[in-house]
Amino acid sequence: GAVVSQHPSWVICKSGTSVKIECRSLDFQATTMFWYRQFPKQSLMLMATSNEGSKATYEQGVEKDKFLINHASLTLSTLTVTSAHPEDSSFYICSAARDRGHEQFFGPGTRLTVL
Amino acid sequence: TQLLEQSPQFLSIQEGENLTVYCNSSSVFSSLQWYRQEPGEGPVLLVTVVTGGEVKKLKRLTFQFGDARKDSSLHITAAQPGDTGLYLCAGVSNAGNMLTFGGGTRLMVKP
Repeated sequence: GAVVSQHPSWVICKSGTSVKIECRSLDFQATTMFWYRQFPKQSLMLMATSNEGSKATYEQGVEKDKFLINHASLTLSTLTVTSAHPEDSSFYICSAARDRGHEQFFGPGTRLTVL
Repeated sequence: TQLLEQSPQFLSIQEGENLTVYCNSSSVFSSLQWYRQEPGEGPVLLVTVVTGGEVKKLKRLTFQFGDARKDSSLHITAAQPGDTGLYLCAGVSNAGNMLTFGGGTRLMVKP
């Protein structure tokens, strides 16, 4: 149990386009989902926390208008990178938790490359 | 802001050697987790330590949580090439399940 999937696993896009990444909890309901960003050879940095049905909470320095997060259901959260630029190229990882105070289960990550 | 310092950042050893990775903070965490991450994949939870002074063993891996719940260590005995990967410690906040990740230790075990 507690499986989290991400789609796509990798994406290449042109500069200026928008890219949507999906995060799904496959066998449990997740009231809270987290989005992380990981640059090569670095650790995970939390970008934002989303709770089902409410607005996401963004970490300091993360542009909410650039990284749109939607947590419309208890099993799906989406991250849309708007007007992507090469510096947005990174490994994006989501995690899901049944609720606050519970363990996070991580997805396999999505590698975004912006040309 | 809670910060976790992880050391060493990189470690290259021969198969059969022992190693220890350290995770230190000036803040107290409710618990601390250790993850292992393979290239191109998400992190996988190895263990959660909760009680100050707690020691947990997972085969050749020994995890310890400091008495003050500010630091932790991961010791691997007789490392094998299959242990190669990125090891991450993460402190769990007192306020809930927010995770603060350390900088990671990239381990390479040569056969």
